Amino acid sequence: NAGVTQTPKFQVLKTGQSMTLQCAQDMNHNSMYWYRQDPGMGLRLIYYSASEGTTDKGEVPNGYNVSRLNKREFSLRLESAAPSQTSVYFCASSEGLSYNSPLHFGNGTRLTVT
Amino acid sequence: AQRVTQPEKLLSVFKGAPVELKCNYSYSGSPELFWYVQYSRQRLQLLLRHISRESIKGFTADLNKGETSFHLKKPFAQEEDSAMYYCALHSWGKLQFGAGTQVVVTP
Repeated sequence: NAGVTQTPKFQVLKTGQSMTLQCAQDMNHNSMYWYRQDPGMGLRLIYYSASEGTTDKGEVPNGYNVSRLNKREFSLRLESAAPSQTSVYFCASSEGLSYNSPLHFGNGTRLTVT
Repeated sequence: AQRVTQPEKLLSVFKGAPVELKCNYSYSGSPELFWYVQYSRQRLQLLLRHISRESIKGFTADLNKGETSFHLKKPFAQEEDSAMYYCALHSWGKLQFGAGTQVVVTP
């Protein structure tokens, strides 16, 4: 099993460009998450989806949109990229929202916005 | 508001020496706390959770509600312990992470 798969691994955008980060999990998990990782700030939750058909804002949702396409896939879209969105983005999934459901992470997408 | 604080950005220890990573939290309810680890070129993964009271790879962490702490400890550090460690608090279905501590174990 691949677990959580993110594409692309690397991306460079110019300010104002748009792009979608893809995430898919093959563990039949209900919940999926998008985090960004910045030095000195740890991981901050952007959006999450408790179950198929639902999405909710996390700590830092501004400038992002998400789509829970089906149970497997959860995409993150930057409509108009800004240099402040330069970061490493991690997708994660879990069986549910319970604390007994550990998060399983993808390998990350390193995004640079110039 | 809930908060997770890891005061040390970098911890450098010698192989065989004890290592302690500090984690303090603020939370109004009964906390559910975790340690996640990211080894070089690997995915972020769960190391241990306080509710399990387990020892993983020689690491233990005790929840101290009086001091609002969940420090991670290992009596004898190994080179393979070099990694980024994150303390995390589960709240309303979501995990809130601290800023992380980079551990470097030198031979």
